[in-house]
Order: sequence, then structure tokens, then C-alpha cells
Amino acid sequence: QSVLTQPPSVSGAPGQRVTISCTGTSSNIGAGFDVHWYQQLPGTAPKVLIYGNNNRPSGVPDRFSGSKSGTSASLAITGLQAEDEADYYCQSYDNSLSGRNWVFGGGTKLTVL
Amino acid sequence: QITLKESGPTLVKPTQTLTLTCTVSGFSLSTDGVGVGWIRQPPGKALEWLALIYWDDDKRYSPSLRSRLTITKDTSKNQVVLTMTNMDPVDTATYYCARRRGSGWYYFEYWGRGILVTVSS
Repeated sequence: QSVLTQPPSVSGAPGQRVTISCTGTSSNIGAGFDVHWYQQLPGTAPKVLIYGNNNRPSGVPDRFSGSKSGTSASLAITGLQAEDEADYYCQSYDNSLSGRNWVFGGGTKLTVL
Repeated sequence: QITLKESGPTLVKPTQTLTLTCTVSGFSLSTDGVGVGWIRQPPGKALEWLALIYWDDDKRYSPSLRSRLTITKDTSKNQVVLTMTNMDPVDTATYYCARRRGSGWYYFEYWGRGILVTVSS
């Protein structure tokens, strides 16, 4: 059971826009900690896609964007392309009675129809 | 160029202790703000953060695995070592080491390629 909740799967046709949600609690996202997003292509290590809620590392297309509000965050992908088919994970920081921990979402598999 | 590379056994028996080494290059483990962590991913499942060690030797562990994990670093060898005791088949996973961006940032900017560890008798 992951600390952050994501939908198991989303899908869209090429050119469409899809969003992936990431829901946390008052001890992580709601506490003001940043949300970061990773893309994991089959058989490879995760790669950071969005950091600090809405920042793209160099080389990441501007088709990818992130947002955060309250205890949730979202990743939006516009102009969907076949190469976007991958698993996507959100990640944040959690400060609770169990200490300060790095937490991930359960991952969302994006299928490009 | 920053790189991280995991090494260790790819097959361990139940109840054994797993020792994984992350050898880093392109940065020093003693540089202010540096943090290197371990994350695992069972086949077909989600990422799970395990542990992280900071440049000042501060350590953080996943609450659910704290009793089984130990993370250390050897700055002179550019290595971070994770030990996990009492291995079980459910611990079968790809284990990644990763470096966080730096002070004030709590995400992993650089990742190793991972090592698949199978727990089986």
C-alpha cells in the first residue's frame, strides 16, 4: 500500500491530453512538501520528469506539466505520443510520527491507444 | 558526469543477509547536501523507498523496514552500502541507488540502472 495514491492506469489516443492524479495527506503533500514525477520506460530506471511540483529538467518536452493543490497533485501530458507509453510515479516527502520519509505513489501505467 | 552503479549478489537464500553496494562517480559523498538512497521495485510493482544517507552521515529508513536495514557510506571508496537482513521471497526486486539533487531538494535526480535480486532457496 503506497502512501501516495495514483490511478493504476490511464489511456489516451495520440494527440490527446491525459492527466494523472496523485493524492496524499496532511503529512506529505498537504504539509507543503513538493511533488515530483518520474517516468519509467519498460526495462529502464525511473527518470525525473517534473520536480518541485511544476519544473521540467532540461530535455523534457513542454508537453509535460505538473501542478499541486492542497493534498493532491497532477501530471498532465498534452499531444500524447506513442513514446509516452510508460509507468509514471509521483513522489514526495512525508513528516509524520514515524519520522521523515521519502514516499512514492503506486504508479500509473499510461497506454497510448 | 554523475553515475551510480549497483553491485551485489543476484540470488540470495531466504533468511540470508543481502549486502548491496552503490559505487558513485562524478561527485563526492562528503559534499554538502549530497544524499544517496536506495529504492526497490518488485517485478511488475511500484517503487518503494528503503533508505537514504546524507553527506553528514545522517540516515533515514523506511518505517516498515527499519529493523532490517542498515545504510552506510565509505567516502574514500565512493560507495554506499545497504544491508538487509532476514531476506524473504517477497524481497525479490530490482534495487536501485539514486542521488538526490541537493540541499533543500527531496527528489532523486540521478539513478543507477538497478540490480535484480532474487530470493529463492
